[in-house]
Amino acid sequence: DAGVIQSPRHEVTEMGQEVTLRCKPISGHDYLFWYRQTMMRGLELLIYFNNNVPIDDSGMPEDRFSAKMPNASFSTLKIQPSEPRDSAVYFCASSQGPAYGYTFGSGTRLTVV
Amino acid sequence: GQSLEQPSEVTAVEGAIVQINCTYQTSGFYGLSWYQQHDGGAPTFLSYNALDGLEETGRFSSFLSRSDSYGYLLLQELQMKDSASYFCAATDTGRRALTFGSGTRLQVQP
Repeated sequence: DAGVIQSPRHEVTEMGQEVTLRCKPISGHDYLFWYRQTMMRGLELLIYFNNNVPIDDSGMPEDRFSAKMPNASFSTLKIQPSEPRDSAVYFCASSQGPAYGYTFGSGTRLTVV
Repeated sequence: GQSLEQPSEVTAVEGAIVQINCTYQTSGFYGLSWYQQHDGGAPTFLSYNALDGLEETGRFSSFLSRSDSYGYLLLQELQMKDSASYFCAATDTGRRALTFGSGTRLQVQP
């Protein structure tokens, strides 16, 4: 298995632009998670899906953030409009369930200037 | 909600043993996990404890005491490549997704 695949690896964008991050989970993993990591706030859960259905989006900072999972093999996290404070590393992870370990993707380093 | 506390930094020498502690406060605790993250890399899963006691995986062991809301990660025969950040993370029965501690940066010295 190729693991969890995220794209792009790096993204530099100007404030106000739309940003779309992509994730392909491991086949057979029913759970997909989006986390954000910054020095100040550490690893924060943004949203997670179970069987493609959003279960908990309480970590999504505000309406500028949205996430979708149209099928079991693809998810997107969109920020529109982007702001400098959104600069962070965004990780996607997948898992077979709460009692199993998470497999993280390599992350997308987002810089908003 | 949940909160987890762990030391911010630990330093040890090659070949030694180091213990990284984690205390948590949560309602509906489900289990405690440990992850390793090298600089510039992604977190990788090390261990998961749902029941009290010690789980051993090679040089790494993890312990949980539910009554004390406490766990630790034990690293033996330290190697330079073990220099990384280590995160404890908890799952609760409500949210069923990991909440991470702030991480412990381990520096292994020659």
